[in-house]
Amino acid sequence: RKEVEQDPGPFNVPEGATVAFNCTYSNSASQSFFWYRQDCRKEPKLLMSVYSSGNEDGRFTAQLNRASQYISLLIRDSKLSDSATYLCVVARMDSSYKLIFGSGTRLLVRP
Amino acid sequence: EPEVTQTPSHQVTQMGQEVILRCVPISNHLYFYWYRQILGQKVEFLVSFYNNEISEKSEIFDDQFSVERPDGSNFTLKIRSTKLEDSAMYFCASSEFTLKGTGELFFGEGSRLTVL
Repeated sequence: RKEVEQDPGPFNVPEGATVAFNCTYSNSASQSFFWYRQDCRKEPKLLMSVYSSGNEDGRFTAQLNRASQYISLLIRDSKLSDSATYLCVVARMDSSYKLIFGSGTRLLVRP
Repeated sequence: EPEVTQTPSHQVTQMGQEVILRCVPISNHLYFYWYRQILGQKVEFLVSFYNNEISEKSEIFDDQFSVERPDGSNFTLKIRSTKLEDSAMYFCASSEFTLKGTGELFFGEGSRLTVL
């Protein structure tokens, strides 16, 4: 089983739509959680951290359910510039602190 | 805004050749990483580095790979004898990780390696 699982998509939505991505993780020792964004052939960039209480940053809302080992990202009022791959990322401390990436969910926002 | 810089942006090499990818992490960061992403696949952890030694390495990071911090600023990844399957984007990342911090890793723009 993959440590971080995401629906690969693509999600093809019109501008202004609300879209939700889900992610599950298998290692209950995971400590921190993030959504990163990756544009085509570019580096991953932090979109937002995910906290147990849920957190919002403008049009983006992230939720974490530790009991179910489930993370979500909601994007409201989608913009063309939101088109990208969204990476669900968990952090774990083994011999070192490191990030484990999901395969990503691709979002296409059309005019 | 401080950033992680990587060189070269793209390198083409023949199978069996040695390759060195270079990175300059953010100056006050203490933790350094290499990740790779094969085209169309996920970002995979290769190695973490702290206090001038490897903290952890993945199964991918076999004896063909090595890392070094030769001076106070550069962090390098060497692949001794490249194979076709080493073709990928290699990302360097750094972090000022502390238990009280955000845990964010900052990534460079990547070095694309093509092995022919």
